[in-house]
Amino acid sequence: EVQLVESGGGLVQPGGSLRLSCAASGFTVSSNYMSWVRQAPGKGLEWVSVIYSGGSTYYADSVKGRFTISRDNSKNTLYLQMNSLRAEDTAVYYCAIDSSGYDAFDIWGQGTMVTVSS
Amino acid sequence: EIVLTQSPGTLSLSPGERATLSCRASQSVSSSYLAWYQQKPGQAPRLLIYGASSRATGIPDRFSGSGSGTDFTLTISRLEPEDFAVYYCQQYGSSRRWTFGQGTKVEIK
Repeated sequence: EVQLVESGGGLVQPGGSLRLSCAASGFTVSSNYMSWVRQAPGKGLEWVSVIYSGGSTYYADSVKGRFTISRDNSKNTLYLQMNSLRAEDTAVYYCAIDSSGYDAFDIWGQGTMVTVSS
Repeated sequence: EIVLTQSPGTLSLSPGERATLSCRASQSVSSSYLAWYQQKPGQAPRLLIYGASSRATGIPDRFSGSGSGTDFTLTISRLEPEDFAVYYCQQYGSSRRWTFGQGTKVEIK
């Protein structure tokens, strides 16, 4: 069974940094693309970033230059390094994968909450 | 960047009724890359439909997707109590980025 477990969320001051982790089981993180999607309180879903099996990375304009997606194949874990955090980055952050070749996200983690506030 | 606009914002229906949700794209979207998700409060989204019309594993056949180009539809043939939730469409673009619509809430009338 494929499972994704996020961690690393918490309260951080504006301008601060945080690193989120997404531990995968039943799935090899380097085998396909993996994404981060976020959801601000009471709002809709916003795609944040993706890393492809070949290592290419892409970002939403709202986080480009501040966030970095990466993975550690030896730990089978996906990461999101978030720098220069702003209040508008406050959200639940989900990692999500396409485990079935659907070109859509069929497996999601439970999410980790990031709150940016002084 | 392709913008997805969902309508209506809220749909008030009774169990057993038919729900029709719309997703309109600002430019043509490949049907292969149009998906629908369901999200309930406090839960992660669940994939319902991929490729505009294919049901994901384990999704009941009362859920169906259709459309092409810029207009896509999610239909729930007969609403069950567990279907009251928020629904999102999503597209994957040539820029290798994804976009979500703003969501449609299906609530109990």
